[in-house]
Amino acid sequence: EPEVTQTPSHQVTQMGQEVILRCVPISNHLYFYWYRQILGQKVEFLVSFYNNEISEKSEIFDDQFSVERPDGSNFTLKIRSTKLEDSAMYFCASTPSGSGELFFGEGSRLTVL
Amino acid sequence: DAKTTQPPSMDCAEGRAANLPCNHSTISGNEYVYWYRQIHSQGPQYIIHGLKNNETNEMASLIITEDRKSSTLILPHATLRDTAVYYCIVRVPGGGNKLTFGTGTQLKVEL
Repeated sequence: EPEVTQTPSHQVTQMGQEVILRCVPISNHLYFYWYRQILGQKVEFLVSFYNNEISEKSEIFDDQFSVERPDGSNFTLKIRSTKLEDSAMYFCASTPSGSGELFFGEGSRLTVL
Repeated sequence: DAKTTQPPSMDCAEGRAANLPCNHSTISGNEYVYWYRQIHSQGPQYIIHGLKNNETNEMASLIITEDRKSSTLILPHATLRDTAVYYCIVRVPGGGNKLTFGTGTQLKVEL
């Protein structure tokens, strides 16, 4: 069964460093998302992406965040200058259509020291 | 701005049906009801969705009241592997439209 894959599974970084989290969505999917979950808290929407542009973004997704689909298969989330409060599990998701049936990856755990 | 209300936790005996309620009294006419679950810290997993008719798939059944103000997710024969946080979400259809997760119901299935 096709699945969304994310790398790395865990990344530890120093505050102020740039981080890139990578996702390979399911191949025929058209809509892509990033969510995050701080330990013990809700799953929070960050951004949705369709047709090579951002469809919607949350207040969390400020100028420090960016997304890109550089080569038609990868979907990346970049955090330019990480803060302690960026420590969280980051989930990528994709869907073939607007049905709301999202397929989530297993997540990338980011720890900012 | 929670649009759904769920009990924080529920217990269920293995092999019995787990009935998870959700209140969405302010649901709009074009909003669908979605259910997802999250096992430990894994990525959320889609379970089922519906608009107004009851729905069933290989994982669960979804019962939506006639006035659409509440729904119940039914896991007919719960197993230990169904222990998870279950999220009830209402969403307007549309590709870029986000899912907004609440705090969900922690279901614990026990022997």
